[in-house]
Amino acid sequence: EDKVVQSPLSLVVHEGDTVTLNCSYEVTNFRSLLWYKQEKKAPTFLFMLTSSGIEKKSGRLSSILDKKELFSILNITATQTGDSAVYLCALNRYTSGTYKYIFGTGTRLKVLA
Amino acid sequence: DAGVTQSPTHLIKTRGQQVTLRCSPKSGHDTVSWYQQALGQGPQFIFQYYEEEERQRGNFPDRFSGHQFPNYSSELNVNALLLGDSALYLCASSLELRGSSYNEQFFGPGTRLTVL
Repeated sequence: EDKVVQSPLSLVVHEGDTVTLNCSYEVTNFRSLLWYKQEKKAPTFLFMLTSSGIEKKSGRLSSILDKKELFSILNITATQTGDSAVYLCALNRYTSGTYKYIFGTGTRLKVLA
Repeated sequence: DAGVTQSPTHLIKTRGQQVTLRCSPKSGHDTVSWYQQALGQGPQFIFQYYEEEERQRGNFPDRFSGHQFPNYSSELNVNALLLGDSALYLCASSLELRGSSYNEQFFGPGTRLTVL
């Protein structure tokens, strides 16, 4: 059965700290892995990863995928209070002629001033 | 260019009632997916609509049904509401790209349903 597991479930850090969020998965017909940030309602897109070992970077955020060991990490450096949110990992898999997203439970990050 | 819109934003119902949630996809998108997000959980896939037909379905009972209209907008209907149906219901739209490995989904702001 398809599975997406995120860790830790929650994390409290201070501004300026660096955090690493983990996402491990078991999915058939893998197409891509996506990271989203959810602050209040709608998840907003951060990264999409399809190939192993290629780091995606956007400002203080970066992410990498390991398709052999079946995991991805999301790094946030020099954290700010505005980074406080739930970070969701989602797998895009191909099934029955279409694409489907499977989400993890998320990591709740709180950044203290 | 309007993104994904959903209505209503909040809704309170009692057990046994029926509810209809609405979603308008991002301009140019033709595929709509619905998700249920319970408190503290990740979004759970309910179903997906494309060309006015339900194309895929998650592990949700038949009380959950939907519809897609010719203009690609969609409705989610839930009958015989249970307390456990209380959740944030998210709609996401995407564009069907044949052979593409990535169909980015854009999420709407969600409808918060409370069942008393």
